[in-house]
Amino acid sequence: DAGVTQSPTHLIKTRGQQVTLRCSPKSGHDTVSWYQQALGQGPQFIFQYYEEEERQRGNFPDRFSGHQFPNYSSELNVNALLLGDSALYLCASSLDTTGYTDTQYFGPGTRLTVL
Amino acid sequence: AQKITQTQPGMFVQEKEAVTLDCTYDTSDQSYGLFWYKQPSSGEMIFLIYQGSYDEQNATEGRYSLNFQKARKSANLVISASQLGDSAMYFCAMREGRSNDMRFGAGTRLTVKP
Repeated sequence: DAGVTQSPTHLIKTRGQQVTLRCSPKSGHDTVSWYQQALGQGPQFIFQYYEEEERQRGNFPDRFSGHQFPNYSSELNVNALLLGDSALYLCASSLDTTGYTDTQYFGPGTRLTVL
Repeated sequence: AQKITQTQPGMFVQEKEAVTLDCTYDTSDQSYGLFWYKQPSSGEMIFLIYQGSYDEQNATEGRYSLNFQKARKSANLVISASQLGDSAMYFCAMREGRSNDMRFGAGTRLTVKP
């Protein structure tokens, strides 16, 4: 049973550049959520995709955008990178049922460094 | 407002002993879910245990149990018979009602001593 996969594992970019991170959900899951985890902090919710639509968004600027494909995989795009965007980006997948009972399973993360 | 509070930045436990990691939460919803995740140094968040707000019994998963005290709004994680591999960051998280975002605490770093 394949778990959540993310690519790439590590990424180094410079300020002002754009980046795309990819996520494949756990087999049987239809919902993908993205989180940003700064060093020494808990993850912060960026947004969630379901049925190829952004269903809910956290407190992140429009520079952060995403997409979900028909096979449920997802991309996170960040434009005009800032030094403060350096973080571990975690993708989580779940099966949409009742909401608060849905367990989210996380991938290994992509560590983004902005220089 | 802080939704999830983990007051123990770091904890130490002797191998084979039990340890309790504290978590308190704040919500006005009647329906919510509480989750605990383990994050080793590799970075991946590993799901450990879930407790629903309407569950009358405390959740258990192997060596993990959740001490759920609804009136006090606490959801402490108990790890029995600690192992060296339990050394990691532990995060408490909550999802409210039909909300799709999961709020995490700041985490507790657990170190198991041989």
